[in-house]
Amino acid sequence: DSGVTQTPKHLITATGQRVTLRCSPRSGDLSVYWYQQSLDQGLQFLIQYYNGEERAKGNILERFSAQQFPDLHSELNLSSLELGDSALYFCASSGGPVTSGGQETQYFGPGTRLLVL
Amino acid sequence: GQSLEQPSEVTAVEGAIVQINCTYQTSGFYGLSWYQQHDGGAPTFLSYNALDGLEETGRFSSFLSRSDSYGYLLLQELQMKDSASYFCAVRNYGQNFVFGPGTRLSVLP
Repeated sequence: DSGVTQTPKHLITATGQRVTLRCSPRSGDLSVYWYQQSLDQGLQFLIQYYNGEERAKGNILERFSAQQFPDLHSELNLSSLELGDSALYFCASSGGPVTSGGQETQYFGPGTRLLVL
Repeated sequence: GQSLEQPSEVTAVEGAIVQINCTYQTSGFYGLSWYQQHDGGAPTFLSYNALDGLEETGRFSSFLSRSDSYGYLLLQELQMKDSASYFCAVRNYGQNFVFGPGTRLSVLP
């Protein structure tokens, strides 16, 4: 158990709908990362927040948005869903913003499996 | 852009040693990380190389050569529980994380 929690574990919805995925980081961790993993695909970095502020943005679609709240939990909002958005969405957390040369081990949550029908 | 390449599959027997390679094309990055992911599970951190050379953590070792744009993960004394997918990853100077496509390791009895 990494200490990172994600809800819901499974989500089935229809095309065109909007869903919200929730992540609670490990106690004390300030950074939250979101990843998408499609079937048989590697991990695609979506976005990172540090202490409520957006820190880095990866391959996140305009239909997707995220935020980190004062209590440090984060939500990933996916709208106008398409069949291709079906994937496993992971949240990870780490202690700090990652300074140059430093390693911030990321602790991954169990993921939310999204199925768009 | 940045890209990392890994072999898609590797097979080895229990007790053996296996090396999973990762080659990359990226303009600059802080270090090379390795993650393990079992089927249906979440990725877990294994190792990190900030500098060139070998890092050892128990049965796992990782190597980085920036001049050769190359790194590898070495798994020794393979066990059945090591059957999983292994991903290399970098954090580039743009602060984005880039993961390789993953190598599926199958350990046979």
